[in-house]
Amino acid sequence: DAGVIQSPRHEVTEMGQEVTLRCKPISGHNSLFWYRQTMMRGLELLIYFNNNVPIDDSGMPEDRFSAKMPNASFSTLKIQPSEPRDSAVYFCASTLYERNGYTFGSGTRLTVV
Amino acid sequence: GENVEQHPSTLSVQEGDSAVIKCTYSDSASNYFPWYKQELGKGPQLIIDIRSNVGEKKDQRIAVTLNKTAKHFSLHITETQPEDSAVYFCAADSGGYQKVTFGTGTKLQVIP
Repeated sequence: DAGVIQSPRHEVTEMGQEVTLRCKPISGHNSLFWYRQTMMRGLELLIYFNNNVPIDDSGMPEDRFSAKMPNASFSTLKIQPSEPRDSAVYFCASTLYERNGYTFGSGTRLTVV
Repeated sequence: GENVEQHPSTLSVQEGDSAVIKCTYSDSASNYFPWYKQELGKGPQLIIDIRSNVGEKKDQRIAVTLNKTAKHFSLHITETQPEDSAVYFCAADSGGYQKVTFGTGTKLQVIP
């Protein structure tokens, strides 16, 4: 298994542009989580899905952030418009019900200039 | 909701010594406590976990202990090696659907 796959690994964009981060969870996993990591705030849960349905998006900082999971093998996190304070590493993680722990992707390092 | 506190934030040990990281949690309903290791430039990786029906669990040089009465759990690394240098996160389940709340992380440095 290739693990959780995120793309792109690095993204540099100008303020105001739209940014789309992508995630392919491990096949068979039924829960997917999007996290943001910064030095100041640590690991913040943005949103999570169970069986492709958004369960809790209370961590999404603003309406500029949106996430979708159209099927069991793909999810996107979109920021529109992007701002410099959105600069962070964004992680996607997946797991299978039964509490076997998360498998994280390698992350997307986003820089908004 | 669940609140997880982790100490210390940084820890330096000599190679071969032991390292201990401690966490406390607030929700007495929490039953699952994983630990993650994050190396530079990588995502966190699950290294060990413990459930509430167990007080201690070992895996080679790593052990976790859980005290549900006091609502705290700890990670113990024995015979530390330079490759143990990383950031370690504790977590506790919260809110169902496998959701966990993470601690703030401990940066461990093992000095050769």
